Amino acid sequence: DTGVSQNPRHKITKRGQNVTFRCDPISEHNRLYWYRQTLGQGPEFLTYFQNEAQLEKSRLLSDRFSAERPKGSFSTLEIQRTEQGDSAMYLCASSLEGGGVTEAFFGQGTRLTVV
Amino acid sequence: SQKIEQNSEALNIQEGKTATLTCNYTNYSPAYLQWYRQDPGRGPVFLLLIRENEKEKRKERLKVTFDTTLKQSLFHITASQPADSATYLCALPYNQGGKLIFGQGTELSVKP
Repeated sequence: DTGVSQNPRHKITKRGQNVTFRCDPISEHNRLYWYRQTLGQGPEFLTYFQNEAQLEKSRLLSDRFSAERPKGSFSTLEIQRTEQGDSAMYLCASSLEGGGVTEAFFGQGTRLTVV
Repeated sequence: SQKIEQNSEALNIQEGKTATLTCNYTNYSPAYLQWYRQDPGRGPVFLLLIRENEKEKRKERLKVTFDTTLKQSLFHITASQPADSATYLCALPYNQGGKLIFGQGTELSVKP
């Protein structure tokens, strides 16, 4: 299966701890996105990369959040000093830029619970 | 700011009937609109894309319409099956870069 892969699937952490999630996109895709989804809501955009360059960050992404995509391949999303409000599903998606219209391929998500 | 609204209440229908889901948007003129399906605990899966110059798009039992005057898209599933039970999300592109704004989703339940 060459779809988008996210690890871990579930993470429970104590408030104040740091967590890191990983996303492996579809190999030929040059764009990678991070979204956050809470219960009963649609995904909310956090940030995206084109190759290794982080081109945009949402205002939702506080200073405690940082994302990287070294070498334009996999990406990591780190949350420092977690808060209970960070509990959500973190979704990664990838797409192939070209022609201006792209569908996004999503991973299964990482569900974060901050206790 | 841009806003997308979908039926907030769950839709319950009988197997074999047509399900119709609504997506309305404001303060926006998108070049296209997408529909995704999401099962519990899983990421969204792309279903259909319709461009602003297309009135209707079909794929098997799915049909999407796009009315740019009303700022509305309708998503139809004909001959619905219990396996169609899921949450359906509409999404619009936001600025550049392929980013998407999603509606809150409509939960569909098809009873046998």
